Amino acid sequence: DQQVKQNSPSLSVQEGRISILNCDYTNSMFDYFLWYKKYPAEGPTFLISISSIKDKNEDGRFTVFLNKSAKHLSLHIVPSQPGDSAVYFCAASAIGGGADGLTFGKGTHLIIQP
Amino acid sequence: DSGVTQTPKHLITATGQRVTLRCSPRSGDLSVYWYQQSLDQGLQFLIQYYNGEERAKGNILERFSAQQFPDLHSELNLSSLELGDSALYFCASSVSPQITDTQYFGPGTRLTVL
Repeated sequence: DQQVKQNSPSLSVQEGRISILNCDYTNSMFDYFLWYKKYPAEGPTFLISISSIKDKNEDGRFTVFLNKSAKHLSLHIVPSQPGDSAVYFCAASAIGGGADGLTFGKGTHLIIQP
Repeated sequence: DSGVTQTPKHLITATGQRVTLRCSPRSGDLSVYWYQQSLDQGLQFLIQYYNGEERAKGNILERFSAQQFPDLHSELNLSSLELGDSALYFCASSVSPQITDTQYFGPGTRLTVL
């Protein structure tokens, strides 16, 4: 049973445009969400996070939006750059719900076209 | 470079065998997590240690075990290996055991069971 779902295995976006990566979750106990980025042959790297008390968090070109009622979050990258080509993982956890580690989605491969 | 090191990078072994994967956390980090990424799967949380003590267990099989040593490095032991255990195994570390503390991932160990 997948509690964190990234339904788009891949996404192609033109350089300079906006990239929008989506993530859905089913566990209503999740209240902390993260995005990680992964290049080939490397481990995932933390990108940005958001707690459920917020609906938006911004860090430079990266913005994460959280819609708790829809159990949906999205990562916006504006403008997209060639170095953004990577696999993006959405992850979730319950801050007060015990130490379970992070629950990850399967990832979306973002390809930035020149 | 996240500062987390994992050895070996690659490991090829046969079914029924036992292997040990090693992880050295970032300097100053007391918490270590182990994750498994199988083909087409997201990262699955296996187990967490904090300052030498087991703190949380995820989807870890009984054939797998881990420990964290006084120098804070950790080892993941996989025994009675099966073909389905072939995967990328990642170690991550953080300063504290809190889930909101950023986890820094190592480059992973690729295990192939033949």
